[in-house]
Amino acid sequence: QKEVEQNSGPLSVPEGAIASLNCTYSDRVSQSFFWYRQYSGKSPELIMSIYSNGDKEDGRFTAQLNKASQYVSLLIRDSQPSDSATYLCAVNGQGGSEKLVFGKGTKLTVNP
Amino acid sequence: GAVVSQHPSRVICKSGTSVKIECRSLDFQATTMFWYRQFPKQSLMLMATSNEGSKATYEQGVEKDKFLINHASLTLSTLTVTSAHPEDSSFYICSPSGTSGVADTQYFGPGTRLTVL
Repeated sequence: QKEVEQNSGPLSVPEGAIASLNCTYSDRVSQSFFWYRQYSGKSPELIMSIYSNGDKEDGRFTAQLNKASQYVSLLIRDSQPSDSATYLCAVNGQGGSEKLVFGKGTKLTVNP
Repeated sequence: GAVVSQHPSRVICKSGTSVKIECRSLDFQATTMFWYRQFPKQSLMLMATSNEGSKATYEQGVEKDKFLINHASLTLSTLTVTSAHPEDSSFYICSPSGTSGVADTQYFGPGTRLTVL
């Protein structure tokens, strides 16, 4: 049974700070890792995907993957109030048709 | 990212009626369609997986005769909630996967908010 664990939060940071979101997963053979952002009442939107160990940067977002520790994180630099949302970590195996397993999400609030 | 549409975005129905939700992938061929359900303040729960032209595979605890899935084409899948009851009120989200050119990435439709009175 694949499991994905996230701190439910809420995580509160001041505007301009770095928000750090963490996720661990149980299935060692997992190959693909995703971070989704979900605003209240909306469906998830893809923020980052990462497939190999190390860091991947895209604008203010950095995803970090450590397969040995089965750990994936998302850093948001210069946090903005518009970043306030629930962030979902998702993990799947090989192939585009493999099911995604979601964590329960971390609610982030960025205070002006 | 991929362009996915769902219709309707919101539906309110009486208990005992059936509701059909359409999901369209507008810019790529969805060989696989995932249907999720999300109750308030909970994470997404996968209901079923369907491959174009094949019967859907349902997750444990999801009644296949209640949640009918049709995936007859590479751009359209439908979920029909039959004889809906108030406990079926939820946010239903489709997620097509296929030859989008982006390996292993799933995008989500905008979701359908179902309220059963």
